[in-house]
Amino acid sequence: KNQVEQSPQSLIILEGKNCTLQCNYTVSPFSNLRWYKQDTGRGPVSLTIMTFSENTKSNGRYTATLDADTKQSSLHITASQLSDSASYICVVRGGYSGGGADGLTFGKGTHLIIQP
Amino acid sequence: GAVVSQHPSWVICKSGTSVKIECRSLDFQATTMFWYRQFPKQSLMLMATSNEGSKATYEQGVEKDKFLINHASLTLSTLTVTSAHPEDSSFYICSARAGGEQFFGPGTRLTVL
Repeated sequence: KNQVEQSPQSLIILEGKNCTLQCNYTVSPFSNLRWYKQDTGRGPVSLTIMTFSENTKSNGRYTATLDADTKQSSLHITASQLSDSASYICVVRGGYSGGGADGLTFGKGTHLIIQP
Repeated sequence: GAVVSQHPSWVICKSGTSVKIECRSLDFQATTMFWYRQFPKQSLMLMATSNEGSKATYEQGVEKDKFLINHASLTLSTLTVTSAHPEDSSFYICSARAGGEQFFGPGTRLTVL
């Protein structure tokens, strides 16, 4: 069964600190992996997308890594800001045979709180 | 580009009434749109796939007669929650597919009293 597991479930850090969120998946075959940021009461917004051949991709203070062999991804946030408080969702696109609609399998997200 | 809007952003209704939620792709055409439901601190759960000009495809366990989907044009899909009950209270999010990617709307908060 295709699954996407994220950890931690929630995280509280002080403003200015760094943090790393984890995503493990069992989706096969693998097409790509996206990290989304979802502010409270808003829809998800894409941060990064990574394909099988990509190991690292950055978007400002967000850096995603992918290890397709171990089926793990991480999202590193540098010098956190109050506006980073949100849920971060890992979404893996696989083949139509196993994933949800459009081949997507969603993680439950990590709820990140940045404290001043 | 690839902006998706939803209307309304929030709605409160009485039990037993019907509520319509609109999803629009503002700067692109989308033959396929998706409707999701999200409960607090949970991830998005796909409800149905909306295809322009044809019937929607519903996920297992989603009542098609309760959640009516219409995708009459390439820029608009609507979700109607019929005879809403308090357990239908949730955050409803749509997405539209463009270039192999899904772009999400801002969501609609439905509260049924």
